[in-house]
Amino acid sequence: DIQMTQSPSTLSASVGDRVTITCRANQTVTGWLAWYQQKPGKAPKLLIYRASSLESGVPSRFSGSGSGTEFTLTITNLQPDDFASYYCQHCDSYSLSCTFGQGTKLEI
Amino acid sequence: EVQLVQSGAEVKKPGESLRISCQGSGYRFTNYWIGWVRQMPGKGLEWMGIIYPGDSDTRYSPSFQGLVTVSADMSTSTAYLQWHSLQASDTAIYFCARLQAGKAFNYWGQGTLVSVSS
Repeated sequence: DIQMTQSPSTLSASVGDRVTITCRANQTVTGWLAWYQQKPGKAPKLLIYRASSLESGVPSRFSGSGSGTEFTLTITNLQPDDFASYYCQHCDSYSLSCTFGQGTKLEI
Repeated sequence: EVQLVQSGAEVKKPGESLRISCQGSGYRFTNYWIGWVRQMPGKGLEWMGIIYPGDSDTRYSPSFQGLVTVSADMSTSTAYLQWHSLQASDTAIYFCARLQAGKAFNYWGQGTLVSVSS
């Protein structure tokens, strides 16, 4: 089974900062990599799909990159609304077996 | 407007059965995979399983295979997640979500809180 490992688990930053969250797979994935933001008590929100495609309506300060086994989510010019938890996720295009990373909490 | 609306919070006792629902609207329900995701208190997201309502093709995470049943009713555009015998460890929020062509979940239900306690 594919496992996704995020780092760091917790990230402290300030408004205006640039931060990067990494997601590593234990085997090569085909680029079907997504990133979500979740705030307490709310459903996750899709930010990035196919590793680097920005979901409609998501601010351009969010960007994704990577391929193979290593992917990153970068947030530039952090805003107060960005302090939340972030998850990566992969679904195998054939089996549709999906996996989430364990999450990264971005705190002030 | 695409919407996934989930059934309300449930309080159950260990050993009881339960089925929660997720009704889709604003799109052709039969044409998109619907997945279920668990979030235990204070923990991360766990993928449980997924169903294609058009033909009821269903896939499960090995961690949940045999523990839950995913189903769908095309006539009511509703997906279901069912337990035959709940345990206290099933206490969690359960989300349904629609899978887009890019293999990401772009629409989510509001979540259903399931509490299991004696």
